[in-house]
Parts: sequence; C-alpha cells; structure tokens
Amino acid sequence: GAVVSQHPSWVICKSGTSVKIECRSLDFQATTMFWYRQFPKQSLMLMATSNEGSKATYEQGVEKDKFLINHASLTLSTLTVTSAHPEDSSFYICSAQKGTSFSYEQYFGPGTRLTVT
Amino acid sequence: RKEVEQDPGPFNVPEGATVAFNCTYSNSASQSFFWYRQDCRKEPKLLMSVYSSGNEDGRFTAQLNRASQYISLLIRDSKLSDSATYLCVVNGVGPGGYNKLIFGAGTRLAVHP
Repeated sequence: GAVVSQHPSWVICKSGTSVKIECRSLDFQATTMFWYRQFPKQSLMLMATSNEGSKATYEQGVEKDKFLINHASLTLSTLTVTSAHPEDSSFYICSAQKGTSFSYEQYFGPGTRLTVT
Repeated sequence: RKEVEQDPGPFNVPEGATVAFNCTYSNSASQSFFWYRQDCRKEPKLLMSVYSSGNEDGRFTAQLNRASQYISLLIRDSKLSDSATYLCVVNGVGPGGYNKLIFGAGTRLAVHP
C-alpha cells in the first residue's frame, strides 16, 4: 500500500498566528511531496512541490514567505502558514509521489481543515 | 481557458443507471491521465489511470482521445456508494520543471434509490 498521514486533521487559530501542518508517508519513501489547497466547491490547486533536500518550488501566485515548506526527510514534509488570516482558511492536502513513478501517481493525505478566526 | 475542464454537474441518476463524464485538457504534451474520486470533505482517491487504448475496471471504463484531448469515464450499474465528485486529472510541468498533477474542478454524481 501507500499510506500518507497528515496532522492535525483540523485546526482553528487566531489571525496573526502561525500553523504547522505535517505530512508523512508511512510505508514508503517519498522524494517528492506536494501541497494543495482546496476552497469550497473548487478544485485542488497545487501550491508547491517539495523535494527532499532541496528548496520547494512554488506555483505562480503562492507566497513562499507565507507558506514555508520543509522536506526534512524522505517521509516527512511540513507546511507552515505564517501570520494566518481568515482568507487562508481552507482545506490543505498533501500528497506523496512513490519513488520515481513514471505514471506520476500520487497518494493523498486525509487533509487538514484550517479555520482562521 | 482552464487547463482541465469538466462539466460540474450535478448528475442525479437512479441506482442501476449508466452515467458518463467528459473532460477536456488543453496541454497536448500531457502524458498521464487519471480519474480520482473525492467524497465530501475528504481527500481525493485514485479511481483509475487512463490509458490510450482505453481500460476497464469492473463497472468503470475510461477512454482517452489524444487527438481531441478528451477523456471520459463511464460508470455502469450505478450504486448509491458511487455518489461523489469525480476529478479528471492530467500531468503537467511546474515552474521548476517538476511533474505535477492538474485537477479539474470535478463532476458531482448523486445516485438515488
């Protein structure tokens, strides 16, 4: 199998605080992990691609200083939302690519629902 | 134009019905195609990959037309448990040259008794 976990599953924080979300591949090593954001009734939008041992690559329009990504090991990537604001409230989902899969299949974590008050 | 376009639905069908979803993509260089299923407030789960020759997995059949840049998913004998949002997904290339997945907005299916 290919199991990916995320923690926390939901979080409520006050405006101006920072929130860290962890993404772990439990039974495989993931050289590449991805962070997505999904607003209600909208599609998943890729925020950044995280590669172990190197800097994350951010999609156009995503502020790298606001969304800090650290891919510390082959099984762990973290996303820190700094100085969160209500408009950052969203469903954040990570995924992990198994090995160097030619078919680019990704395995998704269960997501983290962030609410900023 | 969106990179991946889908009819948002919803498709409301009775149990046992056959339903088809369509999807078009804009990047002719895309090489990998998938259908994912997403239940409400859950993460997407891979339903099936889509191959050039078309492929079938039980009640699900996927077709790809590269010339038209068109992908389809057919569900036969719909079950109540098929109710979900179906996401059409193609691969692309990110700013750093890395492969990435591009998601359509999804088509909602509601199967009723």
